[in-house]
Amino acid sequence: EPEVTQTPSHQVTQMGQEVILRCVPISNHLYFYWYRQILGQKVEFLVSFYNNEISEKSEIFDDQFSVERPDGSNFTLKIRSTKLEDSAMYFCASSERFTGANVLTFGAGSRLTVL
Amino acid sequence: QKEVEQNSGPLSVPEGAIASLNCTYSDRGSQSFFWYRQYSGKSPELIMFIYSNGDKEDGRFTAQLNKASQYVSLLIRDSQPSDSATYLCAVRSGGYQKVTFGIGTKLQVIP
Repeated sequence: EPEVTQTPSHQVTQMGQEVILRCVPISNHLYFYWYRQILGQKVEFLVSFYNNEISEKSEIFDDQFSVERPDGSNFTLKIRSTKLEDSAMYFCASSERFTGANVLTFGAGSRLTVL
Repeated sequence: QKEVEQNSGPLSVPEGAIASLNCTYSDRGSQSFFWYRQYSGKSPELIMFIYSNGDKEDGRFTAQLNKASQYVSLLIRDSQPSDSATYLCAVRSGGYQKVTFGIGTKLQVIP
C-alpha cells in the first residue's frame, strides 16, 4: 500500500537552530500538507501546498516556517530559528485531490524536541 | 474560528459492546467529515469519511451525519481491545483544503 514517508523520525535541536523536516508524499498525490501535534493537544494545520506554491496556511505558519518541493518527490518543512514551543510531532500528509472527500494520508511523523 | 468539538474522554466500554463517539462542528459550510484513529505516539489513520446526511457503514463502523444539527458520530460495534485508541473527528469546509481536527476522544475497551 502506498505510504507517506518522513525523515527524521526524531530530531533534537538547540533553540535558535534551523531544522528541516523531510517528506516523500504518495507519488500520484497532488496536494501536500504539514500538520503538527503538541503533546496532548489537537492535530493542527500548518500549511497546504499545490502546484509548487502554498495554497493555504494557518496563523501558526509565520515567517519562521517555509515549505519547499525541491525535486519531484520531496516536500520539506523548514523552521528557521527554533523555539521551545516548536517542540511537537510534525506530520506530513498528502491527498489525491481537493474536491470531494479529500482524504489525507499521513506519514509516521517527525518528533522535534527543542532544548 | 472554525471549531470541531469532541469530549476528550476517556470513554470506557466492555468488550463486545457498542462504542458511540460524538462530534460537533461550528462551520455550516463544512462539506466533508472524517474519522481518524490515532494510537499513542502514532499518526492518524483514516477509518472512514462521510459527506451526505445519514448513515454510512463499513464493517463494524458506522458514521452518522446530521448537517442541520452540525453533528457527526461514529459507532463501533462489537468493540475489541484493539480498538482502544484516540478517535479524531475532522472536518473540511467547502472551498478549502484545510482539514480541522477535534481534540479526539480516548476510547478504552475493557476485556
